[in-house]
Amino acid sequence: ETGVTQSPTHLIKTRGQQVTLRCSSQSGHNTVSWYQQALGQGPQFIFQYYREEENGRGNFPPRFSGLQFPNYSSELNVNALELDDSALYLCASSGLRQGYNSPLHFGNGTRLTVT
Amino acid sequence: SQQGEEDPQALSIQEGENATMNCSYKTSINNLQWYRQNSGRGLVHLILIRSNEREKHSGRLRVTLDTSKKSSSLLITASRAADTASYFCATEEAQGGSEKLVFGKGTKLTVNP
Repeated sequence: ETGVTQSPTHLIKTRGQQVTLRCSSQSGHNTVSWYQQALGQGPQFIFQYYREEENGRGNFPPRFSGLQFPNYSSELNVNALELDDSALYLCASSGLRQGYNSPLHFGNGTRLTVT
Repeated sequence: SQQGEEDPQALSIQEGENATMNCSYKTSINNLQWYRQNSGRGLVHLILIRSNEREKHSGRLRVTLDTSKKSSSLLITASRAADTASYFCATEEAQGGSEKLVFGKGTKLTVNP
């Protein structure tokens, strides 16, 4: 059973640029969530995808967008990068929807630095 | 916004001692989960307690939940240096269709050998 993998592990971008982060779900999982974790803070929910449809969104502007593919892998896109977007971006997958009590399986994250 | 608030923010103990971390939250929940994070890495799920449960054990971990006080505690017994990490509580709110988790700011635990 393969775990959640994210790429790249580190990324440096300039303010105003666009970035795409990628995530492969754990095998057998069909739900992917993205979280942003600023230094010294807890993760904050960006959005979740279930069967290729957005299924919930946190308090993030529209320049944060995502996709989920038929194989349940996912992308997070951020346009017009700002300095405050510097953070660890975490992808998490979970299993078949059997209610609301399934734990999340996290990848190791992508560390994004915006200069 | 952060719902869960862990207390203390930082905790330093000696190997073999017990570590207790507390979490408070604000709204009605489906469940409360505890996660561990080693420096700069992803989070690892430790334990999930449902809103109708009061106590749960997993190995050296003991979690309690008091929904009337909107609080939870995580006890790690006989701590080891390898337990050094940040610990986060996360709540799944009772309203809403997504499995959104709301995390606290975490407790940074240091276990000294």
